[in-house]
Amino acid sequence: ELKVEQNPLFLSMQEGKNYTIYCNYSTTSDRLYWYRQDPGKSLESLFVLLSNGAVKQEGRLMASLDTKARLSTLHITAAVHDLSATYFCAVGETSGSRLTFGEGTQLTVNP
Amino acid sequence: DADVTQTPRNRITKTGKRIMLECSQTKGHDRMYWYRQDPGLGLRLIYYSFDVKDINKGEISDGYSVSRQAQAKFSLSLESAIPNQTALYFCATSETSGGVYSTDTQYFGPGTRLTVL
Repeated sequence: ELKVEQNPLFLSMQEGKNYTIYCNYSTTSDRLYWYRQDPGKSLESLFVLLSNGAVKQEGRLMASLDTKARLSTLHITAAVHDLSATYFCAVGETSGSRLTFGEGTQLTVNP
Repeated sequence: DADVTQTPRNRITKTGKRIMLECSQTKGHDRMYWYRQDPGLGLRLIYYSFDVKDINKGEISDGYSVSRQAQAKFSLSLESAIPNQTALYFCATSETSGGVYSTDTQYFGPGTRLTVL
């Protein structure tokens, strides 16, 4: 059974600081997704990582994938208040498109 | 207009009632999914369908059933609602996988907040 764990689950940080969210998963997979959810809203796709060593960047967010370590990271650079949201990683099964989600990391960026 | 729509957006019902949640999409995707979200648990897959004639159970299908009426429509039913089915329910869609380099990204609807009293 595929298990996906994120840490930390809650993150409070100051504007301008850097931090990393970690996503560990238990079995082999060939694709890793990061989603963002604002309070009371739906999930928005941020990144799809398809291969070992893949790195994607959008603005202040950068995601990477290490399939050998079964680890993905979401790095936040110089955080701003607008990044406050819950971030989910999700791992895709190699045989299809079923996703298993992590618990989510609730990020709060304080002025 | 939204690509993935869900109705109703909010629903309060009583224990034992039958309730249906509906999902429609205009993205032309073959694959559709139903998830529930509970605080601290992320999203968990209830059912999924890869085409109109294909229905599959997910991680937590007990107490739920689905119907794929057309490529664009996928409904979730709670035959006899119970309080621990109170949750936020999401429908999602994705394209048929194009192989190793296909992203298979899932696109989510706005969600239905269901309360069972």
